Amino acid sequence: RKEVEQDPGPFNVPEGATVAFNCTYSNSASQSFFWYRQDCRKEPKLLMSVYSSGNEDGRFTAQLNRASQYISLLIRDSKLSDSATYLCVVNIFFGAGTRLTVKP
Amino acid sequence: DADVTQTPRNRITKTGKRIMLECSQTKGHDRMYWYRQDPGLGLRLIYYSFDVKDINKGEISDGYSVSRQAQAKFSLSLESAIPNQTALYFCATSPSTGGNTGELFFGEGSRLTVL
Repeated sequence: RKEVEQDPGPFNVPEGATVAFNCTYSNSASQSFFWYRQDCRKEPKLLMSVYSSGNEDGRFTAQLNRASQYISLLIRDSKLSDSATYLCVVNIFFGAGTRLTVKP
Repeated sequence: DADVTQTPRNRITKTGKRIMLECSQTKGHDRMYWYRQDPGLGLRLIYYSFDVKDINKGEISDGYSVSRQAQAKFSLSLESAIPNQTALYFCATSPSTGGNTGELFFGEGSRLTVL
C-alpha cells in the first residue's frame, strides 16, 4: 500500500473557481505534512506546510484531519498562474500529484 | 549558484551501462534524498540519508545504490541501467528538525534516458 494516495485529476477549472485537493496517508504516526507546487517538470517547491489547526495563506487553505488521515488544500478565486501540479507530502513521501489547469 | 546542484542534468545511455548521478549542496543540511519522477506517479523515494553514516532504502531502491561521501554530497548509482529506469531524478535536502521533517529543497533534476 502506498504511503500517500492522491487523486491525479486532472482538474480543469475556470478563473475564479474554488478547487480542492485531498490526500490520504497510511501511517497514523506521521508528523509532517506539506503541499508542494511543481511547474512543468521543474523541481517541486514548497507551497505551504499543514498544521493540525489548519492554516491559511492568502487564497490557499490547508487542513489536516488526523482521525481520518487526510490532508486537503483549498484554492479560492483561482488564477491562471495557479496552473501547475500540486503534490501532497507526508513526512518524506509524495502523493502522485494533481494537475490543475485554470482557464480564462 | 544553486543551493542544491545535480550533475549531469541530462544523460542518455545504453542498457547495461553504469551510471552515477551526483548531488552536492551548500545549505549545510544533514538530510539528503534521491527521488525519481515518472509521469502520473509523482516523486518516489529511492534512498535517503539523515547524516554521513546513515543510509536508508526508500520505496523503490532495487537497482540503485547510493554513497554519502560527505555531508554535502550524495551520489546515486545505477550499476547496470535498464530502460525502465528512464526517468527524471531529483536530489533534495532538508534540515534536521528532531522527529519531524523540514522543508525539502530540490535540485533542478537529472533527466536520464536508457536506450
